[in-house]
Amino acid sequence: DADVTQTPRNRITKTGKRIMLECSQTKGHDRMYWYRQDPGLGLRLIYYSFDVKDINKGEISDGYSVSRQAQAKFSLSLESAIPNQTALYFCATSDKDGIGPQHFGDGTRLSIL
Amino acid sequence: AQRVTQPEKLLSVFKGAPVELKCNYSYSGSPELFWYVQYSRQRLQLLLRHISRESIKGFTADLNKGETSFHLKKPFAQEEDSAMYYCALTTVSNTGKLIFGQGTTLQVKP
Repeated sequence: DADVTQTPRNRITKTGKRIMLECSQTKGHDRMYWYRQDPGLGLRLIYYSFDVKDINKGEISDGYSVSRQAQAKFSLSLESAIPNQTALYFCATSDKDGIGPQHFGDGTRLSIL
Repeated sequence: AQRVTQPEKLLSVFKGAPVELKCNYSYSGSPELFWYVQYSRQRLQLLLRHISRESIKGFTADLNKGETSFHLKKPFAQEEDSAMYYCALTTVSNTGKLIFGQGTTLQVKP
């Protein structure tokens, strides 16, 4: 089945470390998104990309960067992790019209000590 | 600004009782609305979208433009419905970005 895969599933690290979360998809979708999920706040958009040469900031991009290495790959980096970036991170994809539903990965649970 | 509000953090009902999870949105145009569900330790998955006007797992949701609401309903709750439910909105001008509500945890007690 076509899918959205996130690695790692869990990560514990220390303040100040650089971290990369990876997302790959076999759905053939053009559009990819990174969200973070916090209790009581729902999902908030960090970055999104409509194709390989297109990167856009979302609602909460400060402290994060992304790279769209190929249509199928979209990685999220925390250059210098801080404790309030502890959250559950989701990657999602959607097809090119973008009005349809998004398809989510299993999430990466990130803890920063 | 576009916004989605789910006023209840937690909704607890007994098995067999009716369920209504509330969702209100702010947008002056024609939105595309969705309900997503996240079962324990699983990924978010689409439950239903308003333009489909279908019933999934016994759930329905009707877009009420006058009240700017998209409440999710089920006449008889089942224990397996226990999950986190998110209402989400997108528009043509959003170019596909979803705006999520805060989420409501539904707890169905036996």
